[in-house]
Amino acid sequence: KAGVTQTPRYLIKTRGQQVTLSCSPISGHRSVSWYQQTPGQGLQFLFEYFSETQRNKGNFPGRFSGRQFSNSRSEMNVSTLELGDSALYLCASSPQGWDEAFFGQGTRLTVV
Amino acid sequence: KNEVEQSPQNLTAQEGEFITINCSYSVGISALHWLQQHPGGGIVSLFMLSSGKKKHGRLIATINIQEKHSSLHITASHPRDSAVYICAGDLYSGGGADGLTFGKGTHLIIQP
Repeated sequence: KAGVTQTPRYLIKTRGQQVTLSCSPISGHRSVSWYQQTPGQGLQFLFEYFSETQRNKGNFPGRFSGRQFSNSRSEMNVSTLELGDSALYLCASSPQGWDEAFFGQGTRLTVV
Repeated sequence: KNEVEQSPQNLTAQEGEFITINCSYSVGISALHWLQQHPGGGIVSLFMLSSGKKKHGRLIATINIQEKHSSLHITASHPRDSAVYICAGDLYSGGGADGLTFGKGTHLIIQP
């Protein structure tokens, strides 16, 4: 069974640009959650999607958005990038919510 | 003040020692999770607890709902257990789930 796949693994962007990250969950999993990890703040919850609907949202500005497609694949978008957006972005999938969550390897975003 | 607190932040022990990592939380939760993160970023979900105790191999997780406290124990520790261990709470405060809140993590090093 394939695991959670995040693409790309590494990304360098310039301040002011926008970026889209992709997460393909395990087949059959309907919930996809996104997290940001930085050395200063640790892991922080961004949002969770379930069956194409955003079910929960963390405390992040509106520049951070996401969506989920009918095949459960999810994307997150960050617009007008700031230096502080440099982080490891992780997604996790689970069948119905947070039970048996499986994490991807993450996308390391560097904003210069 | 972080709603989920972990201790210790750093722990170095000798192979074979019994390890305990603690997690306390200040609000109600629907579930508490223990995660393991290895260098490079990959995260593995170890346990999800809402009450009592769970065991998987050499790992044991317990939770005391009344005291708002959870512990992760590692018996017969091994160098391959070296990783960052993170607890995360499914917090709720008077309404629907607010997503996950993470502790800062415990950096564990097991020396041969």
